[in-house]
Amino acid sequence: GAVVSQHPSWVICKSGTSVKIECRSLDFQATTMFWYRQFPKQSLMLMATSNEGSKATYEQGVEKDKFLINHASLTLSTLTVTSAHPEDSSFYICSADTFGGGEDTQYFGPGTRLTVL
Amino acid sequence: SQQGEEDPQALSIQEGENATMNCSYKTSINNLQWYRQNSGRGLVHLILIRSNEREKHSGRLRVTLDTSKKSSSLLITASRAADTASYFCATDALGDSSYKLIFGSGTRLLVRP
Repeated sequence: GAVVSQHPSWVICKSGTSVKIECRSLDFQATTMFWYRQFPKQSLMLMATSNEGSKATYEQGVEKDKFLINHASLTLSTLTVTSAHPEDSSFYICSADTFGGGEDTQYFGPGTRLTVL
Repeated sequence: SQQGEEDPQALSIQEGENATMNCSYKTSINNLQWYRQNSGRGLVHLILIRSNEREKHSGRLRVTLDTSKKSSSLLITASRAADTASYFCATDALGDSSYKLIFGSGTRLLVRP
């Protein structure tokens, strides 16, 4: 099946630093990747939609200058949390769309837990 | 917000019993999907039901869809302790350049051995 990986799986950083999270589709090409944020015991909230070779589309209320998204290839998208603060601590999950393959299913990465001290 | 609501928020049952979770949404959809998430992990796709389908089965899972009521249910039969997880419904919505998923609030299922 379609496999999506994320790296790192967890990261702890100091307030004010930037953190980059990678999302890779391992065995398929993903035209579109999605970034979600999930607080404890809550649902996933879509942050942005990332299309290869173009600018990401951010959801309302998500600061594009704080959450930088780069989708440089059909298998890699990165999310950079710039000048992270404790309130940015969360579980970040990416997914990749296999729509081009005829399915309407997103395949999710295992998530990255970010803790900002 | 398009985010759907799920009920119950939490469900605790004995192993072997059936578990039913409900999902309601607000807008027209092309399809509805159910996902499972173990604590602190990513999501696993369970089943997709299209708007022109009323019921779908996959193993011990049974999903129904009532587009007139904008609601769906997920039934897990003969539950096992390993079914303990959070379950989310997700509906599709057309974004600026592609479709996107809008997730429900989720149901936390605990299956007691």
